[in-house]
Amino acid sequence: QVQLQESGPGLVKPSETLSLTCTVSGDSITNNKKYWAWIRQPPGQGLEWLASIYYSGNTFYNPSLKSRVTISVDTSKNQFSLKVTSVTAADTADYYCARQEVLDSYYFDSWGQGALVTVSS
Amino acid sequence: SSELTQDPAVSVALGQTVRITCQGDSLRKFFASWYQQKPRRAPVLVISAENSRPSGIPDRFSGSSSGTTASLIITAVQAEDEADYYCNSRDSSGVVFGGGTKLTVL
Repeated sequence: QVQLQESGPGLVKPSETLSLTCTVSGDSITNNKKYWAWIRQPPGQGLEWLASIYYSGNTFYNPSLKSRVTISVDTSKNQFSLKVTSVTAADTADYYCARQEVLDSYYFDSWGQGALVTVSS
Repeated sequence: SSELTQDPAVSVALGQTVRITCQGDSLRKFFASWYQQKPRRAPVLVISAENSRPSGIPDRFSGSSSGTTASLIITAVQAEDEADYYCNSRDSSGVVFGGGTKLTVL
């Protein structure tokens, strides 16, 4: 049973960089049938996909956020990470890491519990 | 990027059948998947790739599609099915989610 766990600061100051790490257990991040992804959900709002990465390092990003978002993978630690630069209050959200199917419909079959990140001075 | 449109809210009487829809041009090419989210919990995949149920999801959940519209169908709705439901699919840029539908069980 795969498990994903987000970790990182819960409070980030405006204009700074948000950094989160997802630790994967029960599956190898080098699974060639899966991507690894970040999704966020502002309070009271819907889900927004941010980025996905394959273990080889291939990435794809939400075009609306691409200039501020970086996703990376550390196969030695079975982890992947997210950075969002120049944050504002609009980046306050629950951030979820998830395992993603590589085939046709790109669905997310396992999710972390989520990490609330608040942007405030 | 393309969009997926869902009705913001739907209600259904206990034991009845409800259809939650998701519309978008990308659904002509790619299957929709569906997630259930209860308050203060992570989303859970209930239907993948149009109409496949992950292990542990009751068979009262099913999916269908036609043209640019995908549907999540819940038969014999239970009180515990009250939740937010999101569709997602693939588009030319990557991944897109619908805005979500709040299902109320009466």
